[in-house]
Amino acid sequence: DIQLTQSPSFLSASVGDRVTITCRASQGISSYLAWYQQKPGKAPKLLIYAASTLQSGVPSRFSGSGSGTEFTLTISSLQPEDFATYYCQQLNSYPLFTFGPGTKVDIK
Amino acid sequence: QVQLVQSGAEVKKPGASVKVSCKASGYTFTSYGISWVRQAPGQGLEWMGWISAYNGNTNYAQKLQGRVTMTTDTSTSTAYMELRSLRSDDTAVYYCARATMSHAFDIWGQGTMVTVSS
Repeated sequence: DIQLTQSPSFLSASVGDRVTITCRASQGISSYLAWYQQKPGKAPKLLIYAASTLQSGVPSRFSGSGSGTEFTLTISSLQPEDFATYYCQQLNSYPLFTFGPGTKVDIK
Repeated sequence: QVQLVQSGAEVKKPGASVKVSCKASGYTFTSYGISWVRQAPGQGLEWMGWISAYNGNTNYAQKLQGRVTMTTDTSTSTAYMELRSLRSDDTAVYYCARATMSHAFDIWGQGTMVTVSS
């Protein structure tokens, strides 16, 4: 099975900061990677799919890049509503999926 | 609008079964798969399995094989997830999500809290 790791697991940042989260896969997954945002008590929300395609309605300050085994999610200027937990997910082994362990972004 | 609406919270005793429903609306149900994802309190997301709403094919996470069954009713555009032999560590919020390889899990249900307690 494909395993995903995320770094860091916790990140403390200020409004306006540029934030980067990394997701690494245990084997190549082409560009079949998605990123989700989850706030407490809410369902996850799709931000990016196919590694770099922004889901409709998601602000352009979010961007994704990478292919193969290393991927990044970048928030260009952190906003108050962006404090949440972020998960990556691989879809290369469809219909068997894996989520990363998550990165919590907290207020400094 | 496109949405998935799940059934309400459940409280079950250890050893019992639970069946959670997920009703789709606003899109052609049989054109997509449905995945189930759970989240234990304070923990991350755990993928449980997938079902094709087109032909009923399933794929389950290895750790749940033998305890979980996913089904669909195309006449009502509803997906179901049944988990048997419940244990305390099955206590979690259970989500359904519309699933495609190309567009990931783009629509999610609101979640169903399942509590397993004696």
